Order: sequence, then C-alpha cells, then structure tokens
Amino acid sequence: GNSVTQMEGPVTLSEEAFLTINCTYTATGYPSLFWYVQYPGEGLQLLLKATKADDKGSNKGFEATYRKETTSFHLEKGSVQVSDSAVYFCALRGRTGGFKTIFGAGTRLFVKA
Amino acid sequence: GAVVSQHPSWVICKSGTSVKIECRSLDFQATTMFWYRQFPKQSLMLMATSNEGSKATYEQGVEKDKFLINHASLTLSTLTVTSAHPEDSSFYICSARDQGQGGSYEQYFGPGTRLTVT
Repeated sequence: GNSVTQMEGPVTLSEEAFLTINCTYTATGYPSLFWYVQYPGEGLQLLLKATKADDKGSNKGFEATYRKETTSFHLEKGSVQVSDSAVYFCALRGRTGGFKTIFGAGTRLFVKA
Repeated sequence: GAVVSQHPSWVICKSGTSVKIECRSLDFQATTMFWYRQFPKQSLMLMATSNEGSKATYEQGVEKDKFLINHASLTLSTLTVTSAHPEDSSFYICSARDQGQGGSYEQYFGPGTRLTVT
C-alpha cells in the first residue's frame, strides 16, 4: 500500500539557517504530494503541493520538488525564522482508492533566535 | 478559501459517556469527508471515510460501533465516540473534499477537536 517516510525530528536550527526535511514515498500510480504544517495547538494547514513529476510546489519561502525517479519530495527553505517552528507533515494522496491522504510521521522543527 | 469548521474545539467528558463532534464545510459541498485521529506528538491516522447519504468506510482496526459516523448532508459529518474511555482521549481532525459542481477536489482540514476522557 501507499506510505510516506520522513526524517525523524526534532530538528533544531538557528534563525536564518537552511532547512531540509527529507520525505520519500511508496505508491502505486502517480500520487499528488503535499507538505502540511501544524503550529502548536492548531490544526493542519496546507503548505504546498505538487501533482505530477518535476512539479515544484512553493509557498512562504518553502519549496519541494516532486522527484519521481527518487520517489522523494524534500522540503527546503533557504532561511528559517523563529515563526517557522512547527511540525511538518509530508503526505500523499492517490488518484484511486477513495482519494485518501496518507501522512508521514511528522518532523518537529525548532528555530532558535 | 474553503473553510472547514469543527465543533467543539475541545471537550472533556466522563468515562462511559458519549461525545459528538461536528465537521462542517462552510462554503463548499463535500460528499466525502475524512476523520483522522492524532495522538500527542504523532502523525494523523485515518479512521474512516464518511460518504454523504451512505455508510462510512472504516479503516482496518477502527471499531465502527464505537466511532459512529453520520454524513447526513453535503456540508455536515458527525463523529460520535460512544461509551468513551480514557484511551479514546485524542485530537480528532476532519477533512472535507470539495467535489461539488465546479469544485476543486481539494481536501481541506478542520482545526481539530481535542477530546479528554476522565
């Protein structure tokens, strides 16, 4: 079945550091890929998405590229801020099977001032 | 943008009682809604797919008699935790799929409901 694997956290960075959170997936067919962010005590917010190979999703300085050859969708940001501290979830949604969204385990990011 | 609301945002109940959580799509129609459960510092686990006008489809290992799902209209799904016990304490999150006429087919997530069973 479909699955998502993302790097374990927590990840602790200083402000303005470069961020990478790795995400790889296993899926049949060609799923859509997503990054969601969850701030403390809140629900999920869609951060960015990509629906086909080589698409790049971007939002608020974050980027991720759908790499079919490596089945990856790594999240990057060139310069993190304290306000980026949150939990980041990589997710995929298949085009069949009820369009369920499958989430990775989540990676907690702490950004220090 | 599309908004999904949940009510209540948090609830405390005594063991043995039942609790109903509502999920509403505020500005779009959703024939399909999903219910997730999130334990502290863990990921979201899909519990069931709620289909308007028909029975919900439960994931393996989820007790359908304990977690009753009703999707009576295109904008409302409810999750009732029956005879709640402390181990049911969790963060419950719903999402709704915008698949009405002209819809985007995107899924939008509610803010979650924190249930504490004492």
